[in-house]
Amino acid sequence: DQQVKQNSPSLSVQEGRISILNCDYTNSMFDYFLWYKKYPAEGPTFLISISSIKDKNEDGRFTVFLNKSAKHLSLHIVPSQPGDSAVYFCAANAVDNFNKFYFGSGTKLNVKP
Amino acid sequence: KAGVTQTPRYLIKTRGQQVTLSCSPISGHRSVSWYQQTPGQGLQFLFEYFSETQRNKGNFPGRFSGRQFSNSRSEMNVSTLELGDSALYLCASSLGTGGGPLHFGNGTRLTVT
Repeated sequence: DQQVKQNSPSLSVQEGRISILNCDYTNSMFDYFLWYKKYPAEGPTFLISISSIKDKNEDGRFTVFLNKSAKHLSLHIVPSQPGDSAVYFCAANAVDNFNKFYFGSGTKLNVKP
Repeated sequence: KAGVTQTPRYLIKTRGQQVTLSCSPISGHRSVSWYQQTPGQGLQFLFEYFSETQRNKGNFPGRFSGRQFSNSRSEMNVSTLELGDSALYLCASSLGTGGGPLHFGNGTRLTVT
């Protein structure tokens, strides 16, 4: 059962513009969400997190928005840079499920110079 | 601080054999989780260990097993390998208490022929 979905397998954006990556989930018990970036031949690198008590969290160029009623979160990257080109995964878990995270299938972001 | 270390990086095995993968977590991290990534799929949760005890388990057959040692290092074993076990196996560590993100190693690429 795919409880976390990333419906866009790929996204292409011009350098300097905004990148918006989307993620949907089905389990209303999820209360902690993560975004990861992954380059080929490397493990995922943690980017930013958000808990369900917030609807927005910012860290530099990265902002995550959470819409609990729609069971939707998004990652905004502003401005996008060529080095941001990677596969982005969202992940979710319920705090009483310890570290059992459910991951989306990823969105490949290509930032064009 | 050293990151999560996984060995070996690459492994080629024959169907029916068994394999052991190793993971050294970040110093101070007591939780180690294992994930499987196959092409086009997100990361699938295998299991999590905390203080030498399996705290959570995913939906994988009993051929997949793991353990954690007193120094928090973890091993994952797959017995009677099948062609479908070919994947990237990722280990992640975290403090294990109070939430917090997972920190991943670079993975072990297992190919079963």
